[in-house]
Amino acid sequence: EAGVAQSPRYKIIEKRQSVAFWCNPISGHATLYWYQQILGQGPKLLIQFQNNGVVDDSQLPKDRFSAERLKGVDSTLKIQPAKLEDSAVYLCASRRTGIFSPLHFGNGTRLTVT
Amino acid sequence: DQQVKQNSPSLSVQEGRISILNCDYTNSMFDYFLWYKKYPAEGPTFLISISSIKDKNEDGRFTVFLNKSAKHLSLHIVPSQPGDSAVYFCAAPPNQAGTALIFGKGTTLSVSS
Repeated sequence: EAGVAQSPRYKIIEKRQSVAFWCNPISGHATLYWYQQILGQGPKLLIQFQNNGVVDDSQLPKDRFSAERLKGVDSTLKIQPAKLEDSAVYLCASRRTGIFSPLHFGNGTRLTVT
Repeated sequence: DQQVKQNSPSLSVQEGRISILNCDYTNSMFDYFLWYKKYPAEGPTFLISISSIKDKNEDGRFTVFLNKSAKHLSLHIVPSQPGDSAVYFCAAPPNQAGTALIFGKGTTLSVSS
């Protein structure tokens, strides 16, 4: 099966600019996640979708981050305006329904904010 | 508050020997645990999991041990191979109703030939 697709792979922007990331999950996976991984840390959950509804966005900095999953498939994550501390790898993951099903991650987008 | 802790940032092992990666957790409500492996410029990939009702799960060269009384789990790789060199993350779902995972900071394993 095809894996989780993310684009772009790399992005460099200046602080206060905006940026958007795109994710296409594995076909049939109802649950989609966005994680932020800062260098030297483990991935940290930003938002979780079940189909096109938000399940958990408690750790999403809503003053600058937004995410949507229209039609319950693809998802976009946006940052506006970006800060230096947003420099990180943004990982998208998806999961099929079922107890103990693991998350499948894409290769991520590495964001550098200068 | 780190609920999943990997206190060793790095581990170096010779090819053919055993690699032991450790993970401690604080939340006794965790009901299963996962290990992920990550190569540079790639996303984490699922390696092995264990339910809290078991104390051991084995898959080929990889075995995970769970000690609930100590809130500790470990991943054993035997024999270690150079291709095992990667960052290993321990993870657990924060509550029984959710499916998202909390990750440790990771341990970088280097296997030399």
